[in-house]
Amino acid sequence: EPEVTQTPSHQVTQMGQEVILRCVPISNHLYFYWYRQILGQKVEFLVSFYNNEISEKSEIFDDQFSVERPDGSNFTLKIRSTKLEDSAMYFCASSEPDRGGYGYTFGSGTRLTVV
Amino acid sequence: SQQGEEDPQALSIQEGENATMNCSYKTSINNLQWYRQNSGRGLVHLILIRSNEREKHSGRLRVTLDTSKKSSSLLITASRAADTASYFCATLYNTDKLIFGTGTRLQVFP
Repeated sequence: EPEVTQTPSHQVTQMGQEVILRCVPISNHLYFYWYRQILGQKVEFLVSFYNNEISEKSEIFDDQFSVERPDGSNFTLKIRSTKLEDSAMYFCASSEPDRGGYGYTFGSGTRLTVV
Repeated sequence: SQQGEEDPQALSIQEGENATMNCSYKTSINNLQWYRQNSGRGLVHLILIRSNEREKHSGRLRVTLDTSKKSSSLLITASRAADTASYFCATLYNTDKLIFGTGTRLQVFP
């Protein structure tokens, strides 16, 4: 069964550093997403991406964050100048062309720890 | 209550018993989805029910939707120890973003 692949599975970074989280969505999916889950809290929407541009973003997704699809297969989330409160599980997801009508496929996540 | 709240927050049952989890939401929806998350792992899509559907089955899963009460339930029949996980409902409405609930932690004892 097709999978969404995320790397790395765990990233430890020093406060103030930049991190890039990587994702390979399912090849025939057209919509891509980033979500995060702070330990013990809800899964929160960050951003959706379609046709090489952001289609929607949450209030969490400020100038510290950016997304990119640098080639035909990868989808990245860059977090600049990381803060302690950015520590969370970050999930990438992709969906079929009808945007969630068949559910989203999530990756296994990247656990980001900012120290 | 917030969009997508599940109850109970935690549920412990014996193998073979049925597990029922409920989800309430506040706004209109296009569809409601249930996901499973094993501890520290990714989210696995279980089942999706559209706003014009009232009940849906998939294997041992049964989902109901009552749009008049803005609520849904997930029933897992004949539970197994491997069903131990957190279960989340998530709603979608005219937007790209899934709004997740707070989740139910299910523990199934052998």
